[in-house]
Amino acid sequence: DAKTTQPTSMDCAEGRAANLPCNHSTISGNEYVYWYRQIHSQGPQYIIHGLKNNETNEMASLIITEDRKSSTLILPHATLRDTAVYYCIVRVVRESGSARQLTFGSGTQLTVLP
Amino acid sequence: DAGVIQSPRHEVTEMGQEVTLRCKPISGHDYLFWYRQTMMRGLELLIYFNNNVPIDDSGMPEDRFSAKMPNASFSTLKIQPSEPRDSAVYFCASSLSSRISPLHFGNGTRLTVT
Repeated sequence: DAKTTQPTSMDCAEGRAANLPCNHSTISGNEYVYWYRQIHSQGPQYIIHGLKNNETNEMASLIITEDRKSSTLILPHATLRDTAVYYCIVRVVRESGSARQLTFGSGTQLTVLP
Repeated sequence: DAGVIQSPRHEVTEMGQEVTLRCKPISGHDYLFWYRQTMMRGLELLIYFNNNVPIDDSGMPEDRFSAKMPNASFSTLKIQPSEPRDSAVYFCASSLSSRISPLHFGNGTRLTVT
């Protein structure tokens, strides 16, 4: 799977949008971008994933650049409960029977400030 | 949907003792994963199953670790004998068989070996 690069930490004011960048310059055509977060003392929580189109769900938006070499996770109105480590993961998606695991990096510690 | 259920939530044991961690995946999920998280190494995949069959156990650290999935609704991770360096948070996750299905994690078992 392609490697990802994320900032170690970021701060965001409560109520403002949090924009978390991820670089995946070696991504290949059959690799999806997944975002997870891990709140302290909990298991990782799935947020969103995408291939090349922008995606939005009830939790966040995912913006993937046209060349797919980077992406941004957007939390539109950050709250204190969004303080967590955010992981950007690039995952190969092949036909059935192939690898299904996720490989986690170090992630970005997002701190939402009151 | 109760999510992935792990037990116990915390386990404290003495070096040399056998430890068994338990996991109940989400009903209908075909894949089950065991991960370990430490400060030094982050989240690491230990082993994963598809339809109760182990697919990749290359992450299992040594023969002291074993994992089983006797049926679709239950899995165990056993450490025998346990050592202080096994102290970590162990997560179980499950997913559907679709190629792009995300993993859903439990809240983990915090293991302390003294």
